[in-house]
Amino acid sequence: EAQVTQNPRYLITVTGKKLTVTCSQNMNHEYMSWYRQDPGLGLRQIYYSMNVEVTDKGDVPEGYKVSRKEKRNFPLILESPSPNQTSLYFCASSFFAGREAFFGQGTRLTVV
Amino acid sequence: SQQGEEDPQALSIQEGENATMNCSYKTSINNLQWYRQNSGRGLVHLILIRSNEREKHSGRLRVTLDTSKKSSSLLITASRAADTASYFCATDPNAGGTSYGKLTFGQGTILTVHP
Repeated sequence: EAQVTQNPRYLITVTGKKLTVTCSQNMNHEYMSWYRQDPGLGLRQIYYSMNVEVTDKGDVPEGYKVSRKEKRNFPLILESPSPNQTSLYFCASSFFAGREAFFGQGTRLTVV
Repeated sequence: SQQGEEDPQALSIQEGENATMNCSYKTSINNLQWYRQNSGRGLVHLILIRSNEREKHSGRLRVTLDTSKKSSSLLITASRAADTASYFCATDPNAGGTSYGKLTFGQGTILTVHP
């Protein structure tokens, strides 16, 4: 089944403890992206990747890192999480940038 | 920055009625897309309309695009309770015909369809 898989689905962590949210797609998509969704703010893009080893900042990249070493994986790294990073995170992929995007089921992160 | 802005923020209708949601954006685009999100779940792609298209249909969905006004509308005809969800427009900003890679979402319209 074609899908984008995020893990974990739910995570509660403490301020400053490094964490990684994984994202994997099995559709051979070139383009992958991370978004965060907050009430009243809609979805905001964190980072995106046009292809392997090519990443770029979205609208809200501060406090996040990404890497794209393989086509199928695009992990989101929070080196030192803070409470303002409490949010619902979505990974998405598409064949190319600007095309129909497929979304993962989301990761609800709480930083206390 | 928010490229797309949906209107209204919330819409409540009865089953069988039509629902219309609007989206305005600021910059030139390659295409505009509409997505649906059921409570807290991942977004699902509904329809994509290119900048050189004016109208597109998919089942009970009708999307229009007016690039001169930088606006789009999504019409859901004969709505059902199962259409209850949040609907988002997303724009792919134009970079000389290619994509910047920054698919940008609006804040969404919450649609409630009462049985």
